Amino acid sequence: EPEVTQTPSHQVTQMGQEVILRCVPISNHLYFYWYRQILGQKVEFLVSFYNNEISEKSEIFDDQFSVERPDGSNFTLKIRSTKLEDSAMYFCASSPGQSSYNSPLHFGNGTRLTVT
Amino acid sequence: AQKITQTQPGMFVQEKEAVTLDCTYDTSDQSYGLFWYKQPSSGEMIFLIYQGSYDEQNATEGRYSLNFQKARKSANLVISASQLGDSAMYFCALPREAGTALIFGKGTTLSVSS
Repeated sequence: EPEVTQTPSHQVTQMGQEVILRCVPISNHLYFYWYRQILGQKVEFLVSFYNNEISEKSEIFDDQFSVERPDGSNFTLKIRSTKLEDSAMYFCASSPGQSSYNSPLHFGNGTRLTVT
Repeated sequence: AQKITQTQPGMFVQEKEAVTLDCTYDTSDQSYGLFWYKQPSSGEMIFLIYQGSYDEQNATEGRYSLNFQKARKSANLVISASQLGDSAMYFCALPREAGTALIFGKGTTLSVSS
């Protein structure tokens, strides 16, 4: 069964450094998402991407964050200058259609980001 | 404002028993879907079941079923015949108003013992 792939599984970085988290969504999916989950807490929406542009974003997704789909397969999340509070599990997800029409999000296994 | 509420931080059940995990929500969308996800200790998010707001029947998927009460805005997940492998965090989710992304409740941790 096709799956969403995220790399790396764990990233350690120093405060103030830039990080890029990478995702390969399922190939025929049209909607792409990034979520984060601080340890033991709820899964928080960051951004969604459709038709090569951001379609929704939350208040968490500020100017420190950016997303890109540089080619037909990869979907990346960049954090420009990491802060300690950016430490979390970051999930990429994709869906073939809109979630309101029985189109569940398929999640990758996540990238655990640790900012020291 | 749109909201998802899961009031049970933790639930404990023995193998082979049924368990109900509660979820209430609020949305101004007229048509929407409700999703449940499972997150085992390994961390991945696994889609379990979907209920459309206009579906006449409650959704079922194997041992999972939804007790959907639209007027009360609740969509409780029922797991029948619990297994040890059901021990995990369970999240209820709803699409953002006029959007496609899902928002999640805080989750319920289910512990199944033998």
